[in-house]
Amino acid sequence: DAGVIQSPRHEVTEMGQEVTLRCKPISGHNSLFWYRQTMMRGLELLIYFNNNVPIDDSGMPEDRFSAKMPNASFSTLKIQPSEPRDSAVYFCASSINGPAKNIQYFGAGTRLSVL
Amino acid sequence: KQEVTQIPAALSVPEGENLVLNCSFTDSAIYNLQWFRQDPGKGLTSLLLIQSSQREQTSGRLNASLDKSSGRSTLYIAASQPGDSATYLCAVNPGAGNNRKLIWGLGTSLAVNP
Repeated sequence: DAGVIQSPRHEVTEMGQEVTLRCKPISGHNSLFWYRQTMMRGLELLIYFNNNVPIDDSGMPEDRFSAKMPNASFSTLKIQPSEPRDSAVYFCASSINGPAKNIQYFGAGTRLSVL
Repeated sequence: KQEVTQIPAALSVPEGENLVLNCSFTDSAIYNLQWFRQDPGKGLTSLLLIQSSQREQTSGRLNASLDKSSGRSTLYIAASQPGDSATYLCAVNPGAGNNRKLIWGLGTSLAVNP
């Protein structure tokens, strides 16, 4: 399997623009996670889905952030409008359901810079 | 509220040394604990997962221990190599069953010098 695939790898945009990050989880995995990583705060869970349904979005910073998972093989994280403080690396991860199978497999991340 | 701390934040050692990375957590009621590795510009890779009922897990030159009562885990790396240079993160799963909200430490940045 190719692993978790994220696109784009790098995104540079101007404040106020809409940004869409994409993720393809590992085939057969039914849980998907969006994280944000910064030097100051480390890894923060933004939202996770189970069987395409959002389970917990309490980590989403504010209404400017939204995430969708229209099917088992695709998810998006959208920021509209973007702000400089959104600059970070955004990771997507997927895992298989089950208490003993909750190892999360991470994509390579999208490095977002908002100018 | 569960908090995870990793000390030291950075570590530099000569090749061949045995070393220990530390992870502490404030609430001993955990489901499992994982150690991850992150290479620069890359995602995270799970190294070892220790269930709450286990004391340690081993994979090659890596050994992770868990002491729930004291809220501590250590990652032991034997005979370190330059290829071990990376950031190592500890993550605690505080929930039973299908709760997958991991609580993360900030990581230890390891440099192994040839």
